[in-house]
Amino acid sequence: NAGVTQTPKFRVLKTGQSMTLLCAQDMNHEYMYWYRQDPGMGLRLIHYSVGEGTTAKGEVPDGYNVSRLKKKQNFLLGLESAAPSQTSVYFCASSYSRAGGPVDTQYFGPGTRLTVL
Amino acid sequence: EDQVTQSPEALRLQEGESSSLNCSYTVSGLRGLFWYRQDPGKGPEFLFTLYSAGEEKEKERLKATLTKKESFLHITAPKPEDSATYLCAVQDYGQNFVFGPGTRLSVLP
Repeated sequence: NAGVTQTPKFRVLKTGQSMTLLCAQDMNHEYMYWYRQDPGMGLRLIHYSVGEGTTAKGEVPDGYNVSRLKKKQNFLLGLESAAPSQTSVYFCASSYSRAGGPVDTQYFGPGTRLTVL
Repeated sequence: EDQVTQSPEALRLQEGESSSLNCSYTVSGLRGLFWYRQDPGKGPEFLFTLYSAGEEKEKERLKATLTKKESFLHITAPKPEDSATYLCAVQDYGQNFVFGPGTRLSVLP
């Protein structure tokens, strides 16, 4: 049971380049999330998904796109045209929600450190 | 708009010196308040979830409490291995999660 995994661990991009970050979880969780973490600002929610084929915007969605395809376990975060302001550490998380109850604990991946030059 | 603040920003304790970390929040409707521990270069690790005012939870040297406006993480007789950044987060009924900036705790031997 690997929990939540993220690839790659590190990446350096030039302004304008594109890339996709992959998040995978093996806990059969319905909910998945993408956050960015910047010094002094805490974790900020970019996009999230409440199930296969569904996505929604979080607090800071601009410049990012996401997809949750047929494989419920995977959640992709895309940067179409990277900007220096997107230099950050990106964390993926997943959680299980009991029907009619509160969303359960979020389990986080190890993070991807992205630098945009 | 949901908001979470944490104080102090950083805290240095001697081993065995008990203290408390504060998390103050404003939220449209609280679905849950979460405490996480984060070590350098790693993802946050879950500690506690609190759902309603008056609730308390304990784990080893840590105890989390919740009121209608704030939560406290009490650390009793801390050890150097408790050194980490402690994050507080709230979830509202709109599925929104808001994290505080964290408190950086250092426990000196």
